[in-house]
Amino acid sequence: AQSVTQLGSHVSVSEGALVLLRCNYSSSVPPYLFWYVQYPNQGLQLLLKYTTGATLVKGINGFEAEFKKSETSFHLTKPSAHMSDAAEYFCAVTSNYGGSQGNLIFGKGTKLSVKP
Amino acid sequence: NAGVMQNPRHLVRRRGQEARLRCSPMKGHSHVYWYRQLPEEGLKFMVYLQKENIIDESGMPKERFSAEFPKEGPSILRIQQVVRGDSAAYFCASSPRSRNSGNTIYFGEGSWLTVV
Repeated sequence: AQSVTQLGSHVSVSEGALVLLRCNYSSSVPPYLFWYVQYPNQGLQLLLKYTTGATLVKGINGFEAEFKKSETSFHLTKPSAHMSDAAEYFCAVTSNYGGSQGNLIFGKGTKLSVKP
Repeated sequence: NAGVMQNPRHLVRRRGQEARLRCSPMKGHSHVYWYRQLPEEGLKFMVYLQKENIIDESGMPKERFSAEFPKEGPSILRIQQVVRGDSAAYFCASSPRSRNSGNTIYFGEGSWLTVV
């Protein structure tokens, strides 16, 4: 079974400050990990993903995440927050094994607020 | 290349009526997923379909909910005899399901169901 825990349902940062959104996963098989962003009343947009290979993954809008197997983490970071980053962010896990192929398991989401 | 298309975007139904949500996957995608997002929660997997086949419906409520993806036409999520607790955003996603895709799925804009 797989699961995702996002620490902090709300995170607030000042414009220009570091953004750190935490995600820990549980998986008995090698995971594929994703971060999605959702703006109000819209669908989910893929920010970045980790499947295999390099553990530091760069995504759109200046975001990146690092897969740390020893810590079962996939935290999302951005060096400098912008007002337009205010949204809800979802971490998700799946794998390419067994019955869970392609079925994403989502965390509960973290709402990011950016203060001017 | 159009994205995943969902309609209607907003649907209001009275208790006891039926709701039908439609999803056209991205061009070239033959796999469709439905997710439900309840207020203040992350997305929950409902069902995974290929053309004319239900692959995994482990997330579907046992009663009143059904899904199909016919050989021709969009995928349809049907909710019979809706209740207030069915009010949610329903997201459709699609993928090409090639191994090179890393199981990336692409989401539609969502259909917001309100039961009054």
